[in-house]
Amino acid sequence: GQQLNQSPQSMFIQEGEDVSMNCTSSSIFNTWLWYKQDPGEGPVLLIALYKAGELTSNGRLTAQFGITRKDSFLNISASIPSDVGIYFCAGSGGTSYGKLTFGQGTILTVHP
Amino acid sequence: GAVVSQHPSRVICKSGTSVKIECRSLDFQATTMFWYRQFPKQSLMLMATSNEGSKATYEQGVEKDKFLINHASLTLSTLTVTSAHPEDSSFYICSAKTGVRTEAFFGQGTRLTVV
Repeated sequence: GQQLNQSPQSMFIQEGEDVSMNCTSSSIFNTWLWYKQDPGEGPVLLIALYKAGELTSNGRLTAQFGITRKDSFLNISASIPSDVGIYFCAGSGGTSYGKLTFGQGTILTVHP
Repeated sequence: GAVVSQHPSRVICKSGTSVKIECRSLDFQATTMFWYRQFPKQSLMLMATSNEGSKATYEQGVEKDKFLINHASLTLSTLTVTSAHPEDSSFYICSAKTGVRTEAFFGQGTRLTVV
């Protein structure tokens, strides 16, 4: 089946630093989504990407849909303590049409 | 918009009993709902996909007789864990989407503890 490799698995940064995480796939996706999950809560949609090459921002967050349609990255600028959580990439399309395939998650810790 | 409400947020039940978890889309029609299970610090594991008015499609390895899913309306899906055992203790999360749109919106999750 389709797999998403998300990296890094975890990050420990200082408040104010920029963060970058990415996902790669062995197959093509038609949509890339980025979610954030706080402890004990469900994931919240941050950014949705629909076209290869698309670059989309949501406040301090920026995400891009890779040209090959097999990868995506998420950047967080000027991190703040409330950015702490688990970030998941998810892809839709290809052989898993209708379902989302999730990456393993990136655990972000921000030190004040 | 796109609010999904899941209830209860926490439940403790005795081994052998059944537990029902509800997932409601509050401001959109959820033609498709998904049920996931998540272990600590791990990703979401898809259990089943349900389309309104149809039988749920279960992922390989998920027992359909143990995890009963009903999607009777465009705003409500339920997951019933039957004859629960301690190994069923986990975080269960639903998500919902509408039509051909790919974005799925998640409920708050339910922490199930079987004692």
